[in-house]
Amino acid sequence: EAGVTQSPTHLIKTRGQQATLRCSPISGHTSVYWYQQALGLGLQFLLWYDEGEERNRGNFPPRFSGRQFPNYSSELNVNALELEDSALYLCASSLAGGSVRPNTEAFFGQGTRLTVV
Amino acid sequence: GDSVTQMEGPVTLSEEAFLTINCTYTATGYPSLFWYVQYPGEGLQLLLKATKADDKGSNKGFEATYRKETTSFHLEKGSVQVSDSAVYFCALSRPLQGAQKLVFGQGTRLTINP
Repeated sequence: EAGVTQSPTHLIKTRGQQATLRCSPISGHTSVYWYQQALGLGLQFLLWYDEGEERNRGNFPPRFSGRQFPNYSSELNVNALELEDSALYLCASSLAGGSVRPNTEAFFGQGTRLTVV
Repeated sequence: GDSVTQMEGPVTLSEEAFLTINCTYTATGYPSLFWYVQYPGEGLQLLLKATKADDKGSNKGFEATYRKETTSFHLEKGSVQVSDSAVYFCALSRPLQGAQKLVFGQGTRLTINP
């Protein structure tokens, strides 16, 4: 069974440009999560999508946005890139959780390393 | 808000040494607790988890016990191997607020020397 796949694996952009990162969840998973792993800052929750809707977002500016498609894959868009956006962006997927499956596990992809120069 | 504090690294041990990586958390209610591992160049893998007080999670010789009285979830292994070299993350989630929205600690880099 295929795991969570992310593309591209590496992305180099210039300050001010836009970056688009993609994530395909495990088959059958409807929830997708995005995390930022910046050097020295650990892993920070960015966004959570479930059934095509944004359910929650972390403490990030509006230039970080995304969407989830009908096939449950997801895109993360980062506009007006800044140098400090350079990080590893990890996507995770899970079965729908909340009160339905409170202890369901999230599976992570290998990440997209974004470098802003 | 919820937070996780884990032992700062890096940690360097010799093969077959005993490992402890401390993790404490701040959260209201009853979070689920996790240890994730990140091997070089790879994403995160779930190592073990515990969903209620006094639960012990275990996997690959690692174990951790959910201690509500001390709000801790320390990771231990009796005899480490070179292949255990990785970054270890302690994390919590409050499932009813959103499945696996995880709050992570800063990570602890572990290096095992032969």
